[in-house]
Amino acid sequence: NAGVTQTPKFRVLKTGQSMTLLCAQDMNHEYMYWYRQDPGMGLRLIHYSVGEGTTAKGEVPDGYNVSRLKKQNFLLGLESAAPSQTSVYFCASNLRPWNTEAFFGQGTRLTVV
Amino acid sequence: GESVGLHLPTLSVQEGDNSIINCAYSNSASDYFIWYKQESGKGPQFIIDIRSNMDKRQGQRVTVLLNKTVKHLSLQIAATQPGDSAVYFCAVGSGAGSYQLTFGKGTKLSVIP
Repeated sequence: NAGVTQTPKFRVLKTGQSMTLLCAQDMNHEYMYWYRQDPGMGLRLIHYSVGEGTTAKGEVPDGYNVSRLKKQNFLLGLESAAPSQTSVYFCASNLRPWNTEAFFGQGTRLTVV
Repeated sequence: GESVGLHLPTLSVQEGDNSIINCAYSNSASDYFIWYKQESGKGPQFIIDIRSNMDKRQGQRVTVLLNKTVKHLSLQIAATQPGDSAVYFCAVGSGAGSYQLTFGKGTKLSVIP
């Protein structure tokens, strides 16, 4: 049972480039989330999804887009990367909100130069 | 909105001693509280949660205390072990359809052998 898998684990982008981060979960969870984690700060919610085909904005959505075409996958896109988007990105999923077993991926470290 | 603070950036404890990590929140409507453990290079891992209708909950070697009067919660780790070395985050949420968790900045626990 893989849980939550993020791809890639590391990436370096030049300013203005685009990329997509993939999150895949094999637990049949309805809810999926993308967070970013910056040094000395807690995790901040970028976007989330409450089910296949649905997405919603979180606390810091600007500069990011998401898609949930399949229940098991949640994609985070950066259309034109900026240095301010240098961060560690975490995907999470759970069966229902505030479920005790919310699982996080191992993170994607993104550097924008 | 919610803010989560009372952040002690680092805490060092002797192996075998008890550890106490504190967290404060601002929104009196918050009704769900979670503690996460994050080891270096990994995603957050659920430790224990508590709802606002409780003031204490115990797990294996961990206890969470909630004081709604002063909007404070704490995580107590009994007989701290080297494997407990990590960053600990509290996260606070409220129901009523909100899917957002507000995370604290984290406390880095170092266990001295």
